[in-house]
Amino acid sequence: GAVVSQHPSWVICKSGTSVKIECRSLDFQATTMFWYRQFPKQSLMLMATSNEGSKATYEQGVEKDKFLINHASLTLSTLTVTSAHPEDSSFYICSARDSSYHNQPQHFGDGTRLSIL
Amino acid sequence: DAKTTQPNSMESNEEEPVHLPCNHSTISGTDYIHWYRQLPSQGPEYVIHGLTSNVNNRMASLAIAEDRKSSTLILHRATLRDAAVYYCILVRNTPLVFGKGTRLSVIA
Repeated sequence: GAVVSQHPSWVICKSGTSVKIECRSLDFQATTMFWYRQFPKQSLMLMATSNEGSKATYEQGVEKDKFLINHASLTLSTLTVTSAHPEDSSFYICSARDSSYHNQPQHFGDGTRLSIL
Repeated sequence: DAKTTQPNSMESNEEEPVHLPCNHSTISGTDYIHWYRQLPSQGPEYVIHGLTSNVNNRMASLAIAEDRKSSTLILHRATLRDAAVYYCILVRNTPLVFGKGTRLSVIA
């Protein structure tokens, strides 16, 4: 089945550091990828929709200058958390569909656990 | 977005069937019913989806009510590896929006 790979699996860094998370679709092309964030004991929250070759669409309340998204190819989207602070510590998960039809499944990466000290 | 309602938690004995309910009384005609599950410390995993007819795959079965206002995910024989949070989501032409889901515990 379709596989989405996310890297790194976990990151620990100091406050003020910028952190880049990569999301790759391994066996399909994805014109659209999605980024979610999940705090402990909560559900996934959609942060943004990443569109290949164009600007990402951010959900209300998500700062686009804080969470930079780049979708430069049909198989790679990156999320950069700029000047990260402890409140940005969370589980970040990317997702993609291997079809342009919305009724088809979304495939998820295994997530990146980000801890800011 | 059309909303779904699921019990917060359920418990099952190992090797017994599990029926996970989902209510979606405001479903529209073009909404697909998707089910995903999330194991601890992992990203969600697709389980099954359908529109009107019941669906079966190697993981589970999906039973959809005739009026489509509810559905049930059926795990035919629960194993310890099925312990997870199960999400029932209506998909319209938007990214998946996750509710709180049902936390399934499986007892050995």
